[in-house]
Amino acid sequence: GESVGLHLPTLSVQEGDNSIINCAYSNSASDYFIWYKQESGKGPQFIIDIRSNMDKRQGQRVTVLLNKTVKHLSLQIAATQPGDSAVYFCAEQYYGGATNKLIFGTGTLLAVQP
Amino acid sequence: EPEVTQTPSHQVTQMGQEVILRCVPISNHLYFYWYRQILGQKVEFLVSFYNNEISEKSEIFDDQFSVERPDGSNFTLKIRSTKLEDSAMYFCASSEAVRQPNTEAFFGQGTRLTVV
Repeated sequence: GESVGLHLPTLSVQEGDNSIINCAYSNSASDYFIWYKQESGKGPQFIIDIRSNMDKRQGQRVTVLLNKTVKHLSLQIAATQPGDSAVYFCAEQYYGGATNKLIFGTGTLLAVQP
Repeated sequence: EPEVTQTPSHQVTQMGQEVILRCVPISNHLYFYWYRQILGQKVEFLVSFYNNEISEKSEIFDDQFSVERPDGSNFTLKIRSTKLEDSAMYFCASSEAVRQPNTEAFFGQGTRLTVV
């Protein structure tokens, strides 16, 4: 039969507001985490990463928080702009593995209202 | 800025036909990957490649799939006999190293494969 794509969680925010996107990861052994932004018809674009020996990392307008106790990641975007509208994926990786295989989460659609 | 390039951007093929998706990774990168994304779903790992051999593959990467680095710059994914369910966006990625700092994977723009 016809397969139906997953319905993406959607976060709708006003331009200028702060956005918080959440992600639960699956493997307690994962020790490296990345947030990717994917615009329509394009490949995933690196935003920010964090290693498991940290619980917070800041970039330009973005902050990633890591809570290993509950296997939770969040991405905070300050002063959200229309150009931030995209699907955001978290990805986890086991740093001690043989490769850099990434396990992606489901994704969240961020819709910025002007 | 260096980037991963993929061709074609869109490929339509009949069921049962062979397709080859092409990628040019970033020139100083040593690790290469293929991922796929079925429409509306998450990105899934297919295979990783290092030193001219597969280093890891997923259960999706069955005998119908193969990868090759035919020369010093290209990295290809071949699907021998395409099925309808192979329709997806296929992303190539490359990284400089593994298990070291700066192990970020850079993704190409993708090839949309449509099997009819």
